[in-house]
Amino acid sequence: EIVLTQSPGTLSLSPGERATLSCRASQSVKNNYLAWYQQKPGLAPRLLIYAASSRATGIPDRFSGSGSGTDFTLTISRLQLEDFVVYYCQQYDGSVTFGGGTKVEIK
Amino acid sequence: EVRLLESGGKFIQPGGSLKLSCTASGFTFKKFAMSWVRQAPGKGLEWVSGVAAGDGTKYYADSVKGRFTISSDVSENTLFLQMNSLRADDSGVYFCAKEWGAIGTPLFDFWGQGTLVTVSS
Repeated sequence: EIVLTQSPGTLSLSPGERATLSCRASQSVKNNYLAWYQQKPGLAPRLLIYAASSRATGIPDRFSGSGSGTDFTLTISRLQLEDFVVYYCQQYDGSVTFGGGTKVEIK
Repeated sequence: EVRLLESGGKFIQPGGSLKLSCTASGFTFKKFAMSWVRQAPGKGLEWVSGVAAGDGTKYYADSVKGRFTISSDVSENTLFLQMNSLRADDSGVYFCAKEWGAIGTPLFDFWGQGTLVTVSS
């Protein structure tokens, strides 16, 4: 099973700043089948990024994904108030595992 | 518009059984794989089970294998999760999720709002 480790656990930033979230896999994720989800309190997760760097439909371009193999990054270029929530990475290379999540909080 | 509506969650004692349902609309249900993903209170996401479109191959997380059964009724556009021998660590919100394709790509592009299962004595 591929284990995904997200860091940091909590990221404290101010609106307008750039956020960089990391997701590291215990082994290479084939085909870069790595996704990112955003989850607001009390709601279901929402797909942001798939295949490591492709934005899902309707996702603003301030969200971008990068990386390959075992190291992946979600970048939010200029944080808006609604972005201060929790983010999960997920690999879907046949099996399914999620990372533990990163909470982005207001500094 | 894709919509997924779960139901069936409730408070139940350890060892009990429960069946969750997820009614889908806005897409051709029989063409897409579907999954259940759960989230314990204050915790992260855990994939539970999935069913492929077409041949209906079923997949389970080790934590639920032998206790949970996934099924679907394509005539009713409904996904089910039969949960037996429930334990306290099965508690959480259970989300129904539509997968990107028919099989082999468990990428979840649409999610329901979830239904809460609480297992406690």
